[in-house]
Amino acid sequence: DSGVTQTPKHLITATGQRVTLRCSPRSGDLSVYWYQQSLDQGLQFLIQYYNGEERAKGNILERFSAQQFPDLHSELNLSSLELGDSALYFCASSGFSGGFTDTQYFGPGTRLTVL
Amino acid sequence: AQKITQTQPGMFVQEKEAVTLDCTYDTSDQSYGLFWYKQPSSGEMIFLIYQGSYDEQNATEGRYSLNFQKARKSANLVISASQLGDSAMYFCAMREGLPISNFGNEKLTFGTGTRLTIIP
Repeated sequence: DSGVTQTPKHLITATGQRVTLRCSPRSGDLSVYWYQQSLDQGLQFLIQYYNGEERAKGNILERFSAQQFPDLHSELNLSSLELGDSALYFCASSGFSGGFTDTQYFGPGTRLTVL
Repeated sequence: AQKITQTQPGMFVQEKEAVTLDCTYDTSDQSYGLFWYKQPSSGEMIFLIYQGSYDEQNATEGRYSLNFQKARKSANLVISASQLGDSAMYFCAMREGLPISNFGNEKLTFGTGTRLTIIP
């Protein structure tokens, strides 16, 4: 168990709908990252938050948005869903424990299926 | 150019044998980190081992070791005495730049993975 929690585990929805994925980082971690894993694109970085502020953006579509709340949990919002958005969405967290590893620990993922 | 290259899409290895999973990387940064993750069929991503670009010794974690050859830009994962539970996808990933002082550049770039199957 990495200590990162994600809900829901599975999500099935229809095209055009909007969903929210939730992530709680490991205790004490300030950074949260979102990744998308799909068959055609592999594992891709979407966005990073640090202590409530957006830090970096990757290949995130304009239909997608995220935020990190004061309690450090994060939500990834996906709207106007398309078939191609079906993927496994991971949240990861990292903290500054004094070393230089800054390892990202991943949650179990949310498997999104768009029908 | 691909930043992380894993050239072995799949490997079959006899139980109890050692296995090496290849990873080469491409970066112009002097400071970077290399990571290996395991993804079993259940889907979760499990951190295995880390190697920093300035680490003088190869990283080891139990049965996992990292054969780091900086000049060749390779970071191969070695699993000793393989077990049936090692059957999974294995991903090599890189973080460019130093953490802490390099905010905004801590994303991981992943390779395409190697599917390892351990044969009893």
